[in-house]
Amino acid sequence: SQQGEEDPQALSIQEGENATMNCSYKTSINNLQWYRQNSGRGLVHLILIRSNEREKHSGRLRVTLDTSKKSSSLLITASRAADTASYFCATAPLGSGGGADGLTFGKGTHLIIQP
Amino acid sequence: DTAVSQTPKYLVTQMGNDKSIKCEQNLGHDTMYWYKQDSKKFLKIMFSYNNKELIINETVPNRFSPKSPDKAHLNLHINSLELGDSAVYFCASSQGFGPAKMACFGPGTRLTVL
Repeated sequence: SQQGEEDPQALSIQEGENATMNCSYKTSINNLQWYRQNSGRGLVHLILIRSNEREKHSGRLRVTLDTSKKSSSLLITASRAADTASYFCATAPLGSGGGADGLTFGKGTHLIIQP
Repeated sequence: DTAVSQTPKYLVTQMGNDKSIKCEQNLGHDTMYWYKQDSKKFLKIMFSYNNKELIINETVPNRFSPKSPDKAHLNLHINSLELGDSAVYFCASSQGFGPAKMACFGPGTRLTVL
């Protein structure tokens, strides 16, 4: 499987419910990032969690990281219709020589919020 | 103000043609990237430039060539376009010579090769 695989591939929930997406990766990382892509738009970075962090919050977003399991989860609480988008996790490799190392993205989870 | 901009937004062209996609960032970042997103939405890095030097050149065909006239620009030139080149291409930038920072992405350029 690919580095940074999201699960599920697609998720449809009712507005107001919580949405949880998972990401698994294979190699050691320096940090893991979550991005959102609205249909036909560019990617927007949401949150970055470093390898020595276990949990991070930003507004309605909560990200966890388990380096022993090489997995991360993104929780969106009290979902809104505007949260409908594709969500990608991206990993930054450990020991990267510089900021020039590209991120490795997964295939994304397509989240649909039903009004 | 747009942080990372790309032109054009859409590009439809015939097989065999040569085309360019331009990217500019006004964030003062020192590293820029090109990513390709295929039809299955999988993003793959193609190139990155740091201080005008190519740092990563993934296994992309040499028909693709990045050109950086200055730190704020990284253009992507594609020669002899093929059907398989149809995809959305994203430019991105980040700051710092250290572990990868969160990148700022452009809006993407949807390339369709007929």
